[in-house]
Amino acid sequence: SQTIHQWPATLVQPVGSPLSLECTVEGTSNPNLYWYRQAAGRGLQLLFYSVGIGQISSEVPQNLSASRPQDRQFILSSKKLLLSDSGFYLCAWSVPLTKQFFGPGTRLTVL
Amino acid sequence: GDSVTQMEGPVTLSEEAFLTINCTYTATGYPSLFWYVQYPGEGLQLLLKATKADDKGSNKGFEATYRKETTSFHLEKGSVQVSDSAVYFCAPPAAGGTSYGKLTFGQGTILTVHP
Repeated sequence: SQTIHQWPATLVQPVGSPLSLECTVEGTSNPNLYWYRQAAGRGLQLLFYSVGIGQISSEVPQNLSASRPQDRQFILSSKKLLLSDSGFYLCAWSVPLTKQFFGPGTRLTVL
Repeated sequence: GDSVTQMEGPVTLSEEAFLTINCTYTATGYPSLFWYVQYPGEGLQLLLKATKADDKGSNKGFEATYRKETTSFHLEKGSVQVSDSAVYFCAPPAAGGTSYGKLTFGQGTILTVHP
């Protein structure tokens, strides 16, 4: 069966520090991968998605970047965090054109 | 903790049929509730929301009423179209205020509408 992992579960970082969140998927090959963010009291916002190794599409301009160094690994990064980067980050995967499966999420607080 | 139970489906309907996708939740307090939709080949997007009991969220002909007495937030549409074919996610209660409570989405309900 397929599983999706995200870490860390919780992170507190100072403004201006770098960020690296990792997501890995097991039990499937060549999945579509997604990064979402939910800020307090708001809905989900799609940040990035990837249909293959090295392929990244950005949905909104922001202080973040994403990379996919391996088929089942998706990394969310920032060189310098802003206060507005605080939120709950969800990684998801799907077989193309089917429903998505979400990871447990990372709660990021930028102070 | 907070959780949601969503009708799994899949649901197959003819165009102009009536749609209901059930969603019930457990939560402390009175959180906001959301329905998200994922069209083929796209990411999730917010479909509608309700922020308090008895609120009715609506968008694109879809409606959902936040019913505290039955802890439900069922999604309805009176006349579906082929373009409504998508996966629908009932989003669990999001912690209110400035809290970033952990979210556990259901797997979604696949809706297919035939002409």
